[in-house]
Amino acid sequence: NAGVTQTPKFQVLKTGQSMTLQCAQDMNHEYMSWYRQDPGMGLRLIHYSVGAGITDQGEVPNGYNVSRSTTEDFPLRLLSAAPSQTSVYFCASSYLRTGSDGYTFGSGTRLTVV
Amino acid sequence: GQQLNQSPQSMFIQEGEDVSMNCTSSSIFNTWLWYKQDPGEGPVLLIALYKAGELTSNGRLTAQFGITRKDSFLNISASIPSDVGIYFCAGRDYGQNFVFGPGTRLSVLP
Repeated sequence: NAGVTQTPKFQVLKTGQSMTLQCAQDMNHEYMSWYRQDPGMGLRLIHYSVGAGITDQGEVPNGYNVSRSTTEDFPLRLLSAAPSQTSVYFCASSYLRTGSDGYTFGSGTRLTVV
Repeated sequence: GQQLNQSPQSMFIQEGEDVSMNCTSSSIFNTWLWYKQDPGEGPVLLIALYKAGELTSNGRLTAQFGITRKDSFLNISASIPSDVGIYFCAGRDYGQNFVFGPGTRLSVLP
């Protein structure tokens, strides 16, 4: 049971380049989300999904796209990277709210945009 | 939007000491979570709270859901070196998404 798997762990991009951060979970969780973590600001929600084919914006969605074609996968796309997107990105998943338990997080992707 | 504040921002304690930290919100929440993040890793769930006034323990950790539903507290007893990390609180009202606090960074001195 791998839980939530994120790839790559580290990435350096040049301004304007595009890339996709991968996230996969094997727990059959309906809910998946992407957060970015910046010093002193905690975790901020970028996009989330409550099931295959359904996505929605979080607190800081600009510059990022997502899609959810399967229950297991929830990739995050940066179309044109900017230095302001330098951050650590975490993917999280959970069952839809049942009143119990929180998110399971991946180990993160550290992205640097130069 | 909803915001959470955590205090203290950071703390340095001696091994064996007890630790207290708290989380406050301008909004009422129905669920509070406490997570710990080790360096280079994602946050790991420590304790979940679902009712106002609830007190829940997990080993040396004890967390409480504040009566006002706008705050939560985490205590760690007899700290050890592996307690080092960042502790995050997270709250949720009636929606699906949790709001996270900025974290409390704990350092334990031998």
